[in-house]
Amino acid sequence: GQNIDQPTEMTATEGAIVQINCTYQTSGFNGLFWYQQHAGEAPTFLSYNVLDGLEEKGRFSSFLSRSKGYSYLLLKELQMKDSASYLCAVMDSNYQLIWGAGTKLIIKP
Amino acid sequence: DVKVTQSSRYLVKRTGEKVFLECVQDMDHENMFWYRQDPGLGLRLIYFSYDVKMKEKGDIPEGYSVSREKKERFSLILESASTNQTSMYLCASTSGQGDTGELFFGEGSRLTVL
Repeated sequence: GQNIDQPTEMTATEGAIVQINCTYQTSGFNGLFWYQQHAGEAPTFLSYNVLDGLEEKGRFSSFLSRSKGYSYLLLKELQMKDSASYLCAVMDSNYQLIWGAGTKLIIKP
Repeated sequence: DVKVTQSSRYLVKRTGEKVFLECVQDMDHENMFWYRQDPGLGLRLIYFSYDVKMKEKGDIPEGYSVSREKKERFSLILESASTNQTSMYLCASTSGQGDTGELFFGEGSRLTVL
């Protein structure tokens, strides 16, 4: 079966760095997405990786290793507004998205 | 500013009632999706549509139907609501024209079935 694993919850301190991991087993691979979802709000797109390596976008970076079925989202200089759930999703060979359950990130002052 | 609008943020219905959830997007997107989101689970696809009057079953279509009479509007219908359909329902759209395939989501409709 197809599976996406990510930690349920993480806690970090304002100003610090946090890495949220995502491992996947899917039927084929056509890209990996990260979305951010604040409580009670819509998910919003953060990043897309289809090739191995690191994609940097401001304070957020996303890494992909296709051979390991692994990605991470790196958040630097954490701010209180980064408290949210982070959803990992993989597009399989049929171009369907398989979603992880999300990682709830709690930022403490 | 791109927008996906869902008609109701919160609904409370009784078992057996018919429920309509409406979604409108203003981005001229071809592709529209209905997901449900439950605690501890990833988003699960109910139905999707790649064109007007076209619909495809997702992973959990049982108990649901959809309608897409106009490109901008995609409706989710619960013919006879049951308590296990209590959930957050998210509508999304994407252009499907290359790029990243980024999904644009509505704010969600939280449905409680009593």
